[in-house]
Amino acid sequence: EIVMTQSPATLSVSPGERVTLSCRASQSVSSNLAWYQQKPGQTPRLLIYDASARATDIPARFSGSGSGTEFTLTISSLQSEDFVVYYCQQYNNWPLTFGGGTKVEI
Amino acid sequence: EVHLVESGGGLVQPGGSLRLSCAASGFTFRNYWMSWVRQAPGKGLEWVANIKQDESEKYYVDSVKGRFTISRDNAKNSLYLQMNSLWAEDTAIYYCARVPASNYKYLQHWGQGTLVTVSS
Repeated sequence: EIVMTQSPATLSVSPGERVTLSCRASQSVSSNLAWYQQKPGQTPRLLIYDASARATDIPARFSGSGSGTEFTLTISSLQSEDFVVYYCQQYNNWPLTFGGGTKVEI
Repeated sequence: EVHLVESGGGLVQPGGSLRLSCAASGFTFRNYWMSWVRQAPGKGLEWVANIKQDESEKYYVDSVKGRFTISRDNAKNSLYLQMNSLWAEDTAIYYCARVPASNYKYLQHWGQGTLVTVSS
């Protein structure tokens, strides 16, 4: 099983700041990496797939990069609605696995 | 518009069984792999199972193998999860999700989820 490790678990930042979230895979997943956003009480929403492709209707302030074992999600200028939880997920191997999540807080 | 609606959740005693359903609309259901993902209260996401379009391939997370069975009825545009021998650790919101047409296994669309509580 590929273990996905997200860091940090919690990130404290201010609105308007640029933030980078990290996701590390225990072995290479090529570019088969997705990022999701989950607001409190809501369903997860796909942000990024194939490590760097933005999903439909996702604002340009969200960007993803990386390949192999190291990935990042960058939010260029945090808006109030961005202070929520983010998960990475690898889909290179079975079982599909998620990271533990990073909570972005004010 | 893709629409996924889960049902069948509820309170069940340890060792009991439950069958979840997911009604799909807004796309050609038979053309897509489908998934179940769960989230325990206050915890992260955990993938549970995937099923290929024609049911020829099914995959499960180790913790549910032998207890859960994923299936589908393409004529009814429905996805199912039969859950047997339920434990307290299976308590979670269960989401139905659809992968993209490319068949890469990220989760492009999600339902609202159905809550399963395993408790005596």
